[in-house]
Amino acid sequence: DAKTTQPPSMDCAEGRAANLPCNHSTISGNEYVYWYRQIHSQGPQYIIHGLKNNETNEMASLIITEDRKSSTLILPHATLRDTAVYYCIVRVYNFNKFYFGSGTKLNVKP
Amino acid sequence: DAGVIQSPRHEVTEMGQEVTLRCKPISGHDYLFWYRQTMMRGLELLIYFNNNVPIDDSGMPEDRFSAKMPNASFSTLKIQPSEPRDSAVYFCASSFGQGARRYTFGSGTRLTVV
Repeated sequence: DAKTTQPPSMDCAEGRAANLPCNHSTISGNEYVYWYRQIHSQGPQYIIHGLKNNETNEMASLIITEDRKSSTLILPHATLRDTAVYYCIVRVYNFNKFYFGSGTKLNVKP
Repeated sequence: DAGVIQSPRHEVTEMGQEVTLRCKPISGHDYLFWYRQTMMRGLELLIYFNNNVPIDDSGMPEDRFSAKMPNASFSTLKIQPSEPRDSAVYFCASSFGQGARRYTFGSGTRLTVV
């Protein structure tokens, strides 16, 4: 699996958009980008995934650059409950393992 | 659905004792995963099963660790004998189908070995 690089921490004001970057410059053509988050003391939670097109669901949007070497997870209106560690993972679609890196600790402040 | 259920939520044991962690996956899920999380090493995949059969145990740290899945609704992770460095949060997750995007994790078991 390709390696990902994320900033260790970020702050965001409540109600504002949170934009979490991820670099995956060695990603290969058959690898998808996945995002999970882990709220304190809970198990990780799936957020969204994509291959090359931008994706949106009820939780977030995923923007993948045209060369696929980086992506951004967008939480459009962050709330205090979005405070968590966010993991960016790249994985071949039919591969079963997820490897979690160190992630980004997002602090949403009132 | 009640989600992935793990027990106990917290376990404190003395070094040298046997510890058994339990997991009930979501009904109908055919993959089950055991992860360990520590501050130093983050989330590590220990082992996973498909249709109750262990597929990859390359992440199991030592022979002191063993995992079983006797049926589709139950799995155990056993540590014998336990050591202080085994202290961690152990998560179980389940999913449906090959290459599923969505793992559902349990709430974890926090193990402390003193």
